[in-house]
Amino acid sequence: SAVISQKPSRDICQRGTSLTIQCQVDSQVTMMFWYRQQPGQSLTLIATANQGSEATYESGFVIDKFPISRPNLTFSTLTVSNMSPEDSSIYLCSVGERGGTYNTQYFGPGTRLTVL
Amino acid sequence: GQQLNQSPQSMFIQEGEDVSMNCTSSSIFNTWLWYKQDPGEGPVLLIALYKAGELTSNGRLTAQFGITRKDSFLNISASIPSDVGIYFCAGQSYSGGSNYKLTFGKGTLLTVNP
Repeated sequence: SAVISQKPSRDICQRGTSLTIQCQVDSQVTMMFWYRQQPGQSLTLIATANQGSEATYESGFVIDKFPISRPNLTFSTLTVSNMSPEDSSIYLCSVGERGGTYNTQYFGPGTRLTVL
Repeated sequence: GQQLNQSPQSMFIQEGEDVSMNCTSSSIFNTWLWYKQDPGEGPVLLIALYKAGELTSNGRLTAQFGITRKDSFLNISASIPSDVGIYFCAGQSYSGGSNYKLTFGKGTLLTVNP
């Protein structure tokens, strides 16, 4: 499986600021995804990062709040904009490996964000 | 939207005991995945199931894709202290194009007493 790294691993930010999280994969992948995991909760998909086009957002998530870039097949960024304490979560990128209609997803180590 | 019911929510067992957890859904899934998450880490894929009825093992782990495609279970045999963590099930439904959305269960917190 692909090796996935994320930067930063953790950060503490002030309310109203923005943070950009980077996701780097050691091989070209077709599908990249961004998830949020709120404290003590499960994972919720934010968006699918599409290479060369706009990201596809899930219900409840909007581009203005979570802009995503995917400039190539090995890299993506997620920005958490105008942060509030409710944005304190772990943000995870994942990559999809596909065989036919099957999709197996592998996750990066996550970015632990605390907003004061 | 699709929801997964994962149970139990938590388990406290003695080292050496066997563990079983399961997920059920009202929706059909094409793939079932089981992940383990340690504190401060991302989820690590344990087992992937692709066909209804499929039974797959990975060391002390065994998982099955329910015949109705609406459920899956994960068994851990002869538990050891490093099995401690949160186990998540995830179902994937394919709806064409690039839509491979995963829906996650709420997780099972496993504690193993040495």
